[in-house]
Amino acid sequence: EADIYQTPRYLVIGTGKKITLECSQTMGHDKMYWYQQDPGMELHLIHYSYGVNSTEKGDLSSESTVSRIRTEHFPLTLESARPSHTSQYLCASSDLAQGNSEKLFFGSGTQLSVL
Amino acid sequence: AQKITQTQPGMFVQEKEAVTLDCTYDTSDPSYGLFWYKQPSSGEMIFLIYQGSYDQQNATEGRYSLNFQKARKSANLVISASQLGDSAMYFCAMRGDGPESGGGADGLTFGKGTHLIIQP
Repeated sequence: EADIYQTPRYLVIGTGKKITLECSQTMGHDKMYWYQQDPGMELHLIHYSYGVNSTEKGDLSSESTVSRIRTEHFPLTLESARPSHTSQYLCASSDLAQGNSEKLFFGSGTQLSVL
Repeated sequence: AQKITQTQPGMFVQEKEAVTLDCTYDTSDPSYGLFWYKQPSSGEMIFLIYQGSYDQQNATEGRYSLNFQKARKSANLVISASQLGDSAMYFCAMRGDGPESGGGADGLTFGKGTHLIIQP
């Protein structure tokens, strides 16, 4: 059902590297989100966007940045990866018009390991 | 701030038995929505069921039902006739549209999850 895609699925990278996690959706949704999830733990919102040129920080402070130049694309960038960034990153989108029943559609996630 | 509490870190259940996963929430928003998601070991989050705070009846979706008790602020998920494929992490989440939620701008607030294992 969900048409939201994340790449790469797994990424192992050395400390100090710049990385971009890709997220695209084909549902025309206005809102997009990035959540961070450590193993066996809850999801924490790190960024969200209402639409093109809109980006907001979430509840959990993050050293990552996001951009929203196109409706369907919401990439997340880490300028200098550190071992503390090791986590799963989940992208989601939703239809702003749904109000309280706003259901989030999630991608398959990117498992990031920083050595 | 909004908060979701799931008190069962893990559960073992025999196949074909019914399962109840507990969820309590805290919010001062007058209107809110409650959600359950399933996360298999593959990592994706799968939407299961939604309950609105003003809905008079408990939500149902196939084998899933939500036991909504508004006065107790609880929204337990019931899975009838459990199957081996139900083994996964289950997350309760909520979204409000009042001042506590920034007018609904902040996405969903998730609980810590319950790891459900169905045994044959």
